[in-house]
Amino acid sequence: GAVVSQHPSRVICKSGTSVKIECRSLDFQATTMFWYRQFPKQSLMLMATSNEGSKATYEQGVEKDKFLINHASLTLSTLTVTSAHPEDSSFYICSASESGGWNEQFFGPGTRLTVL
Amino acid sequence: GQNIDQPTEMTATEGAIVQINCTYQTSGFNGLFWYQQHAGEAPTFLSYNVLDGLEEKGRFSSFLSRSKGYSYLLLKELQMKDSASYLCAVLDSNYQLIWGAGTKLIIKP
Repeated sequence: GAVVSQHPSRVICKSGTSVKIECRSLDFQATTMFWYRQFPKQSLMLMATSNEGSKATYEQGVEKDKFLINHASLTLSTLTVTSAHPEDSSFYICSASESGGWNEQFFGPGTRLTVL
Repeated sequence: GQNIDQPTEMTATEGAIVQINCTYQTSGFNGLFWYQQHAGEAPTFLSYNVLDGLEEKGRFSSFLSRSKGYSYLLLKELQMKDSASYLCAVLDSNYQLIWGAGTKLIIKP
């Protein structure tokens, strides 16, 4: 089956630092990768959609200069939270789709970010 | 506005059957998903319905009525490992995925 990995699984950082989260599709080529954020007891919120080789499309209200997304290859997308603050603490989840279709996105295991 | 409603929490007994409902009001409809999410983990895909009716997949079934803006996820022969949150999500006319807040299912022995 399609496997998506994320690294790191947990990260704790100081306020003002930057954190990079990697999302990899291990056994398929992901045309499209999606980045979500989930606060405790809330729904997943789509942050951005990225297609390999092109700029990410950000959802309304998501600062593209703060959440840098790079989808440099068909198997890797990265999300960098720049100048992180405590309110950025959340569960960040990526998903990947081979065809770009919503009905076949496979989720990574998530990254728990805690900003002190 | 767009809205997905599902109960916050449900409790059921091991071996029993439980039905988790989801109602939606969205701008257009291109399908409804159900995902299972264990605490601290990413969601895993359970089902996708785009046509009316019941889709059965092992112990899990999903039903859709587009005219009523309604779906349910039916879980049979409940096992302790089924304790999780169940997320309903609808793909609207712009192919935006609108997520419900999830239903936390507690299974008791």
